[in-house]
Amino acid sequence: SYELTQPPSMSVSPGQTASVTCSGDKLGYKYVSWYQQKPGQSPVLVIYQDFKRPSGIPERFSGSNSGNTATLTISGTQAMDEADYYCQAWDSSVVFGGGTKLTVL
Amino acid sequence: QVQLQQSGPGLVKPSQILSLNCAISGDSVSTNSAPWNWLRQSPSRGLEWLGRTYYRSKWYNDYAVSVKSRITINPDTSKNQFSLHLNSVTPEDTAVYYCARGVEVAGAPSPGYYFDYWGQGTLVTVSS
Repeated sequence: SYELTQPPSMSVSPGQTASVTCSGDKLGYKYVSWYQQKPGQSPVLVIYQDFKRPSGIPERFSGSNSGNTATLTISGTQAMDEADYYCQAWDSSVVFGGGTKLTVL
Repeated sequence: QVQLQQSGPGLVKPSQILSLNCAISGDSVSTNSAPWNWLRQSPSRGLEWLGRTYYRSKWYNDYAVSVKSRITINPDTSKNQFSLHLNSVTPEDTAVYYCARGVEVAGAPSPGYYFDYWGQGTLVTVSS
């Protein structure tokens, strides 16, 4: 079955850029979505179709996808961006990455 | 604005049936443009898609291989909601369960699929 791999955790200083990666075989040929999840809350869609932002998602969130890696980039990271981030794709079924815990410190 | 409101018990005994409902506002369960999904999340299994129901001139269901023998997702057009039934549960089925609206994206060589609206989540514990 298809797998998406994310680093379990990463940290970033406020105001800096965070790049969360998601890797999978030929992932660049698939559409990737990203979800933000804060403790006790439901996931929130922040990027879909590799780079598109839903209404209401700040412009500091961006996405890219090429080769075997998709990347969620958060520019000018804020304390409120501290959360778990999950990538997701479709490969005959829904596939999620294991999630990356982003710490802003 | 689409809203999904989940309801159902938070405690289920082993071997029994887990049943949850998801009431839809701002959209229709019978829409031709959106599948309606159930997912769950646990520390051991992460985020896991369970299945979906959708209407394309008739009703269809798709289920994850991991639960296919035990799951049923049903639409209820009279109440504009859909339900999840998972039978023969074990403690491994303990998780937070979510309903969500799906969005299909045509594409080549691979189509896309994502979730734009989620319910509030229901923690279901399987225990005697």
